[in-house]
Amino acid sequence: EVQLLESGGGLVQPGGSLRLSCVVSGITFNNYAMAWFRQTPGKGLEWVSSISQNGDSTYYADSVKDRFTISRDNSKNTLSLQMNSLRAEDTAVYYCVKDSLGPSPNYWGQGTLVTVSS
Amino acid sequence: DVVMTQSPLSLPVTLGQPASITCRSSQSLVYSDGDTYLNWFQQRPGQSPRRLIYKVSNRDAGVPDRFSGSGSGTDFTLKISRVEAEDVGVFYCMQGSHWPETFGQGTKVEIK
Repeated sequence: EVQLLESGGGLVQPGGSLRLSCVVSGITFNNYAMAWFRQTPGKGLEWVSSISQNGDSTYYADSVKDRFTISRDNSKNTLSLQMNSLRAEDTAVYYCVKDSLGPSPNYWGQGTLVTVSS
Repeated sequence: DVVMTQSPLSLPVTLGQPASITCRSSQSLVYSDGDTYLNWFQQRPGQSPRRLIYKVSNRDAGVPDRFSGSGSGTDFTLKISRVEAEDVGVFYCMQGSHWPETFGQGTKVEIK
C-alpha cells in the first residue's frame, strides 16, 4: 500500500517559518519526481513546487519563489518543504503528491494544515 | 497561467441518473509531443483529491467505468453514466500541458 504521510503543519505568525515533511512508503521513492500542492477555500487547488528524482531540479510557483525551498532525502524516502517569510495568503492545507500526468499512478497524502495568523 | 473554467459549479443529481461536467481551458492543451494532459480529480468530503482520468480519457486503476472523459483542444467533459451515492464530492479538471499545472474551480456534485 502506498502511503504519503505529511507532518509539520501548524499555526505560525506572519513572517515566520515552518518546515513540512512527507514520508513516503510503498513505492520506490527515488524513481519519481515529487511535488507539493496546496488547497484553500478561496483559491482552490494550487501547485506549489516540484523536485526531480535526484533533487537536482526544483521548480516553484511564482507566489512562493524565493520564500519556499523543496528538498528530498532519498535515503529516508522523505520530501520536505521549508517555508520562510510566511504570509496570511499561504494559509492552506498542504499536500505531498507523487505527481503524474500519464499512466503512472498519482498519489496524494492526507494533507497538513498551515495557518499563518497573528 | 492557463485558466481552467468549469461548469456548472454546483450539480444536484438524482441517484442512477447521468451527470456531466464541462471544463474549458484558456489555451489549447495539446502539448508538443501530441498528447493532451488533461486530468480529472474527485475529492470526497474530508478526503484528499484522487485522480480519476488522465490524458483526457484514460481511467486510473480502480476507477469505475461509469466515469468517462472526452474532449480535445480547449473543451473537455467528464461524464458519470449513472450517479451513485459514493460519487458525492467535488470534481476538478487539471491541465499539465503548460507550466504551471492549473486546476478548475471545482464542481460540487450532490444528491437531490
